[in-house]
Amino acid sequence: KNQVEQSPQSLIILEGKNCTLQCNYTVSPFSNLRWYKQDTGRGPVSLTIMTFSENTKSNGRYTATLDADTKQSSLHITASQLSDSASYICVVSAGGTSYGKLTFGQGTILTVHP
Amino acid sequence: DAGITQSPRHKVTETGTPVTLRCHQTENHRYMYWYRQDPGHGLRLIHYSYGVKDTDKGEVSDGYSVSRSKTEDFLLTLESATSSQTSVYFCAISTTDSLLTDTQYFGPGTRLTVL
Repeated sequence: KNQVEQSPQSLIILEGKNCTLQCNYTVSPFSNLRWYKQDTGRGPVSLTIMTFSENTKSNGRYTATLDADTKQSSLHITASQLSDSASYICVVSAGGTSYGKLTFGQGTILTVHP
Repeated sequence: DAGITQSPRHKVTETGTPVTLRCHQTENHRYMYWYRQDPGHGLRLIHYSYGVKDTDKGEVSDGYSVSRSKTEDFLLTLESATSSQTSVYFCAISTTDSLLTDTQYFGPGTRLTVL
């Protein structure tokens, strides 16, 4: 069964600090991996998408890495801001299947304190 | 937000009543999806559509049906709502037909409570 596990479940950091969120997956065959940010009460918004051949991708202060051999990904947030408080969701797409079959992680809830 | 709206945004209903949620998009994207999000679970796919009148089941489709008679509208129906269907429902669209590069854009969500 395809699974995506994220850690930690929740994280509290001070404004200005860096943090790293983890994602482990057992999805096969692998197509791509996405990170989404979901603010409270809103739909998820895409941050990055990486295919098998990519091992890092940045979007402003967000940098995602992918190790397809170990089936791990991380999302690094630099110089955190209060607006980074949200749930961060790792999503893996299985290739060779019907379109739209994504496996979602449960998310990491990040809280940034002033 | 890729021009996605959902209606209603909030609904409270009673067990056994039918409920229809609407997703509307303004950009003629081919693929549309319905997800539910519950505490302790990631987003889970209910149904998706790859064109007018073309739909397929997701992993949690029991108790739900969908219809897509126009490109811009994707309807989710709970024929007889149960308390286990209390959830937040998200509609999403894909902006490309490429499995490798597509990005899904999500609507604002509908919070459904079944009493």
